[in-house]
Amino acid sequence: DSGVTQTPKHLITATGQRVTLRCSPRSGDLSVYWYQQSLDQGLQFLIQYYNGEERAKGNILERFSAQQFPDLHSELNLSSLELGDSALYFCASSVEGGRGWADTQYFGPGTRLTVL
Amino acid sequence: AQSVTQLGSHVSVSEGALVLLRCNYSSSVPPYLFWYVQYPNQGLQLLLKYTSAATLVKGINGFEAEFKKSETSFHLTKPSAHMSDAAEYFCAVSTTGGGADGLTFGKGTHLIIQP
Repeated sequence: DSGVTQTPKHLITATGQRVTLRCSPRSGDLSVYWYQQSLDQGLQFLIQYYNGEERAKGNILERFSAQQFPDLHSELNLSSLELGDSALYFCASSVEGGRGWADTQYFGPGTRLTVL
Repeated sequence: AQSVTQLGSHVSVSEGALVLLRCNYSSSVPPYLFWYVQYPNQGLQLLLKYTSAATLVKGINGFEAEFKKSETSFHLTKPSAHMSDAAEYFCAVSTTGGGADGLTFGKGTHLIIQP
């Protein structure tokens, strides 16, 4: 158990819909990262938040957005869903998450999103 | 931009045999390198990381990896495979330590252990 929790575990929805994935980082971790894992693209970094502020952006689509709240939990919002958005979405957290810090990122168990 | 290539999407070894999983990276600056393991229906767990200290890095579960700058490689090894090692293994690179740009992952290598 990494200490990172993600809800829900599974999500099934239809094309065009909007969903919200939730992540609670390990106690004391200030950084949260979101990754997408699909058969086509493998594991891709989407976005990072540090202490409530966006710090880095990866291959995140404009239809996707995220935020980190004062209690440090994070939500990933996916809208106008397409079949190709079906994937496993991981959240990870680390203590610091800054340049030069070889932080260990601790991964949650993931949310499996299926778009029908 | 950095990238990672893992040679062999599937590697099969006998129980008790040497495990060798290959990882080559591309980076314009000195990299930080990571190996993660993913068991079925679980998240990723860090095995080990290279942070420019010792080039031979020891990790959990008997795994180790050697950073070779001249070969731009960071191969993962374990002297004797165990059935519980069957999993998906990912090599990852970062130019900032894993923070401020996320991790760039390879496609993964599925390790199969034959009894």
